[in-house]
Amino acid sequence: QKEVEQDPGPLSVPEGAIVSLNCTYSNSAFQYFMWYRQYSRKGPELLMYTYSSGNKEDGRFTAQVDKSSKYISLFIRDSQPSDSATYLCAMSEQTSGSRLTFGEGTQLTVNP
Amino acid sequence: DGGITQSPKYLFRKEGQNVTLSCEQNLNHDAMYWYRQDPGQGLRLIYYSQIVNDFQKGDIAEGYSVSREKKESFPLTVTSAQKNPTAFYLCASSIDGLGTQETQYFGPGTRLLVL
Repeated sequence: QKEVEQDPGPLSVPEGAIVSLNCTYSNSAFQYFMWYRQYSRKGPELLMYTYSSGNKEDGRFTAQVDKSSKYISLFIRDSQPSDSATYLCAMSEQTSGSRLTFGEGTQLTVNP
Repeated sequence: DGGITQSPKYLFRKEGQNVTLSCEQNLNHDAMYWYRQDPGQGLRLIYYSQIVNDFQKGDIAEGYSVSREKKESFPLTVTSAQKNPTAFYLCASSIDGLGTQETQYFGPGTRLLVL
């Protein structure tokens, strides 16, 4: 069983929709949680970074972490065609330095 | 502009051939990483280096080798021992790989194909 599970999609939504992307994990030692966005044939870019449980908002993006359920989410409000990409969740332990464990990514398409 | 560069963008390998992927960063980051990305598997860590002249195996190091002679450079060699090398290879760096947690920044990637 993978340490991090992420539905690969594909997920297709109309422009303006609210998008919910999710990951579950099994390692209770994970403390740091990230979301990366990856456009086709490009390297991932960091979108959101959160520590432990709680919410973090940045513009149209909100990241949520529920450590009791081992579940993290990324919400995209007022989705745009430019949001079409693969979204990767990543997480790490307190003591693992910078070693990240990634989900396989969810492919999102926002249709105009 | 500060960032991470990878070259070439596309690379073709013949059977039994070793090939080297380049990764350079001008961010003054201490730590550098190599990942392999395959459909349905996400990113898997091949090797990482927290400091010059030192590196550690990741989860799938077999068939690969690296060197870290300079802070800004971390080349990856895909050897003939790697039987399934076709993948998208990503290089990343972070400020300090020895810290509690450091955000990783990625290069644009190299796509390796076997002829």
